[in-house]
Amino acid sequence: GESVGLHLPTLSVQEGDNSIINCAYSNSASDYFIWYKQESGKGPQFIIDIRSNMDKRQGQRVTVLLNKTVKHLSLQIAATQPGDSAVYFCAETNTGNQFYFGTGTSLTVIP
Amino acid sequence: GAVVSQHPSWVICKSGTSVKIECRSLDFQATTMFWYRQFPKQSLMLMATSNEGSKATYEQGVEKDKFLINHASLTLSTLTVTSAHPEDSSFYICSARGRWDNSPLHFGNGTRLTVT
Repeated sequence: GESVGLHLPTLSVQEGDNSIINCAYSNSASDYFIWYKQESGKGPQFIIDIRSNMDKRQGQRVTVLLNKTVKHLSLQIAATQPGDSAVYFCAETNTGNQFYFGTGTSLTVIP
Repeated sequence: GAVVSQHPSWVICKSGTSVKIECRSLDFQATTMFWYRQFPKQSLMLMATSNEGSKATYEQGVEKDKFLINHASLTLSTLTVTSAHPEDSSFYICSARGRWDNSPLHFGNGTRLTVT
């Protein structure tokens, strides 16, 4: 399968601070990227996606940045809340074929 | 929208028995379904990809005779773990996507399988 990895396996932030979660991917042909949030005992929940023809996309409190030159993806969460505590995965795919997931980053928000 | 339902949410079975897990797309037609396996504190590992009406494509190292996948309709895929052993204990998660290119994957809530 493809190799999609994360730089930081764990991240702790104070409530109200911004969080940045990083992801490196290896397949330069990947053209679609998704961030998922997974809470304990549940399936992954879609957060935000971005296509390779974009370098930035914003949602509600979240922003995804894509740097194709260095094959790097990041998720920024603004004003992090306790409910944001979860494991975050990036996933990549090439034209909608198989989706491969990164290692995951466990985010803990400290009240 | 885009709800994927997985059943059962947990199951305990004895070694040597078979277990079937269902994955349903409730409000869209899932042309493709993916089955993942997840160990504690690890990422999702893709097991197989199934397209409606055709045989599943298994990832390298996944035994197709042990993990039987059926995708008989646009809303239902099943994963059967045959002759389960304790090492098959894991969290199994299905996902589905519609027929549009590059639509996001929508996930079920997973099935916790424990083989005793």
